[in-house]
Amino acid sequence: QVQLVESGGGVVQPGGSLRLSCAASGFTFSSYGIHWVRQVSGKGLEWVAFIRYDGSDKSYADSVKGRFTISRDNSRNTLYLQMNSLRAEDTAVYYCAKDRGWGSFYFDYWGQGTLVTVSS
Amino acid sequence: QSALTQPASVSGSPGQSITISCTGTSSDVGGYSYVSWYQQHPNKAPKLMIYDVSKRPSGVSNRFSGSKSGNTASLTISGLQAEDEADYYCCSYAGSSTSVFGTGTKVTVL
Repeated sequence: QVQLVESGGGVVQPGGSLRLSCAASGFTFSSYGIHWVRQVSGKGLEWVAFIRYDGSDKSYADSVKGRFTISRDNSRNTLYLQMNSLRAEDTAVYYCAKDRGWGSFYFDYWGQGTLVTVSS
Repeated sequence: QSALTQPASVSGSPGQSITISCTGTSSDVGGYSYVSWYQQHPNKAPKLMIYDVSKRPSGVSNRFSGSKSGNTASLTISGLQAEDEADYYCCSYAGSSTSVFGTGTKVTVL
């Protein structure tokens, strides 16, 4: 079955960097776009970034543009999120979510999430 | 990329129907038919319940239905059950390969 497993979360100081990973299995990873979505504790969901199945198209929320970079390694079935210049407001659980197909921007499978805490 | 507006909470008794609204703009909900809804139980990942405004993924109960009129989308849960108690989020494509979620609605089964 489809599985998405995030890792790489932790505590980082403001201005610091962190790289999240999302290991995928149970589907043809190289055929689907993947998203990052985050959720502040007790708050709502926020779409963060998207990468096309072949990595040729990437997009970001205004709140992270210029600081975060999404990438993927189809040979390793792994998605990444490089987060630089981190701020307190980036503290959240980060989920990777599989696109339903054709860049539909429907998230049909989600990981369990990894917590990022930005604090001094 | 402002969040879509949802009521903070909606409640109903078992067996009743409830409707959750999701209001955006002509740049998101009103401009595209790419609206989806997600159910999230506490400490769980969200689950896709509705896509393409009104379509249900395989395995989702037909008690869940979606619609859209202008800049407002709606999710209706009919025959409310205890297991439906959760947070619900709408989501819309917002152009330029971006997406925006709603503020979220807590559904309480009385």
